[in-house]
Amino acid sequence: EAQVTQNPRYLITVTGKKLTVTCSQNMNHEYMSWYRQDPGLGLRQIYYSMNVEVTDKGDVPEGYKVSRKEKRNFPLILESPSPNQTSLYFCASSWSHRHHEQYFGPGTRLTVT
Amino acid sequence: GDSVTQMEGPVTLSEEAFLTINCTYTATGYPSLFWYVQYPGEGLQLLLKATKADDKGSNKGFEATYRKETTSFHLEKGSVQVSDSAVYFCALSDAGGGADGLTFGKGTHLIIQP
Repeated sequence: EAQVTQNPRYLITVTGKKLTVTCSQNMNHEYMSWYRQDPGLGLRQIYYSMNVEVTDKGDVPEGYKVSRKEKRNFPLILESPSPNQTSLYFCASSWSHRHHEQYFGPGTRLTVT
Repeated sequence: GDSVTQMEGPVTLSEEAFLTINCTYTATGYPSLFWYVQYPGEGLQLLLKATKADDKGSNKGFEATYRKETTSFHLEKGSVQVSDSAVYFCALSDAGGGADGLTFGKGTHLIIQP
């Protein structure tokens, strides 16, 4: 089954404790992206990757890192999480960044206390 | 830059009512347009799309027509069901040649009452 998977689905952590949210897709997509969803703000892009070893900042990259060492995986790293990073995070992938629909993972709800 | 504006809601309707969710966009080029749906506790799913002016996207009884002259992509359904209760997002893709993927509206929460 074609899908985007994320882990963990729920995470509660404390300020400053490094964490990684994994994302994997099995559709051989070139383009992958991370979004955060906050009430009243919709979805905002954090980082994206157009292919292996190619990543770039989205609209709200501060406090996040990503890597793309393999085509299928695109982990999101929070080196020192803060409470303002409490949010619902979605990973997505598509064949390319242009004119193609994106396939979304189920989401990771992160709470930073 | 590109932007998408949609009514935020919540929009509350009775079952079998007619639905319209307005969406307008600003873009420098010729974007593709999408409607995504998010059911409670789930990720976003593509509902329908249109890639050029006057195209009509349709799926599950929902329709939207790409209107370049009014820069709009309004979502419609003739008879809604309780199972249509969800958050609906209008989005556009890469109008200006950049690589940053989708630009989303803020989402419209739709509540259908039996």
